[in-house]
Amino acid sequence: QSALTQPPSASGSPGQSVTISCTGSSSDVGGYNHVSWYQQHPGKAPKLMIYEVSQRPSGVPDRFSGSKSGNTASLTVSGLQAEDEAEYYCISYAGGNNYVFGTGTRVTVL
Amino acid sequence: QLQLQESGPGLVKPSETLSLTCTVSGGSISSSSHYWAWIRQPPGKGLEWIGSIYYSGNTYYNSPFKSRVTISVDTSKNQFSVKVSSVTAADTAVYYCTRTGSYLVIDSWGQGTLVIVSS
Repeated sequence: QSALTQPPSASGSPGQSVTISCTGSSSDVGGYNHVSWYQQHPGKAPKLMIYEVSQRPSGVPDRFSGSKSGNTASLTVSGLQAEDEAEYYCISYAGGNNYVFGTGTRVTVL
Repeated sequence: QLQLQESGPGLVKPSETLSLTCTVSGGSISSSSHYWAWIRQPPGKGLEWIGSIYYSGNTYYNSPFKSRVTISVDTSKNQFSVKVSSVTAADTAVYYCTRTGSYLVIDSWGQGTLVIVSS
């Protein structure tokens, strides 16, 4: 399968919001509500931020939210903070025990 | 608190087999609610799912790896392992062992181990 398309970079000032898109097809993002998002700081393991499109694990700030429209899932970070500067990846189920990963988006807090 | 720790050689020669083991502590690998997966990340690149295993031994592999990857589990040692055969420089990556729920929702990660393929 082809990787899910994410913008290479996104940025915002502290307190602002930034939205990252994750575009696939009807065979993955559009076909299932099994999209998750991960945050990765340099040199660290990724961390689960959102699962099942919009569910937030315990301990993840409510500044992080997820949504989906058609073949595109989105992660929004509201009230940007310095510690939100990281790489973000999406993953989608693609049927038949197959998964597709996003290309990654580098979020910069200006 | 669940902890996962990868172990294995950090340097493997081309055409040889890469072998890594993940030791799980603070929880049971025989959990009926979880799967155990290997994820890798080439330097400066994105994440890639290698495959997953259930405590019963059922395995699920990403298509590009099916012909040269084996994932196994040892419930007596609370460990699971991955072997990647016929490695090339393209297999140089940080390898993470992880715990997942359904649909590859990865809720726990090891710290990762860098494996370099070079002669």
